[in-house]
Amino acid sequence: DTGVSQDPRHKITKRGQNVTFRCDPISEHNRLYWYRQTLGQGPEFLTYFQNEAQLEKSRLLSDRFSAERPKGSFSTLEIQRTEQGDSAMYLCASSTRAGLETQYFGPGTRLLVL
Amino acid sequence: AQSVTQPDIHITVSEGASLELRCNYSYGATPYLFWYVQSPGQGLQLLLKYFSGDTLVQGIKGFEAEFKRSQSSFNLRKPSVHWSDAAEYFCAVGGNSGYSTLTFGKGTMLLVSP
Repeated sequence: DTGVSQDPRHKITKRGQNVTFRCDPISEHNRLYWYRQTLGQGPEFLTYFQNEAQLEKSRLLSDRFSAERPKGSFSTLEIQRTEQGDSAMYLCASSTRAGLETQYFGPGTRLLVL
Repeated sequence: AQSVTQPDIHITVSEGASLELRCNYSYGATPYLFWYVQSPGQGLQLLLKYFSGDTLVQGIKGFEAEFKRSQSSFNLRKPSVHWSDAAEYFCAVGGNSGYSTLTFGKGTMLLVSP
């Protein structure tokens, strides 16, 4: 299967701990997006990469959130000093560089902060 | 600012009956419109998309949607629902300026009764 993959699928952590999630996009896709989805809501955009450049990060929820895509392939999303309100599904999507782009989503990482 | 409204939080349909899920959007330019489906614990799967041209678009699994600019709507339809269609459905809007983040509605949960 060559779809978007995310790891881990589930993460339980204690408040105050740091967590890191990984996303592997479809191999030929230059663009990579992170979204957060809370219960009863649609996905909410967080940040976006084109190749290794992070072109939009103003929508990251706080300075505790950061993302990287060091070689323009996989990406990581880190949350420092987790809070209970960070409990959510974190979704990654990727798309081609073409203007008329469709975003393909991974299965998500479900985070529970105790 | 772009926004999406899905007025129905839950819909229950009998198996074999027809389905229509409503979506209204707000977008300043020509919108790109999408319908995604999400099964429990899963990521989002693209059902169909509208970029331009024919306002009636066909998707996977027998779904179709009609873009009505005058009503700012992009309703999803299926003539005969199957039990396996039970899931949450999200409408999303994006654009073609530079990069395109998606703005999602809150979703409609479809329940299928025997």
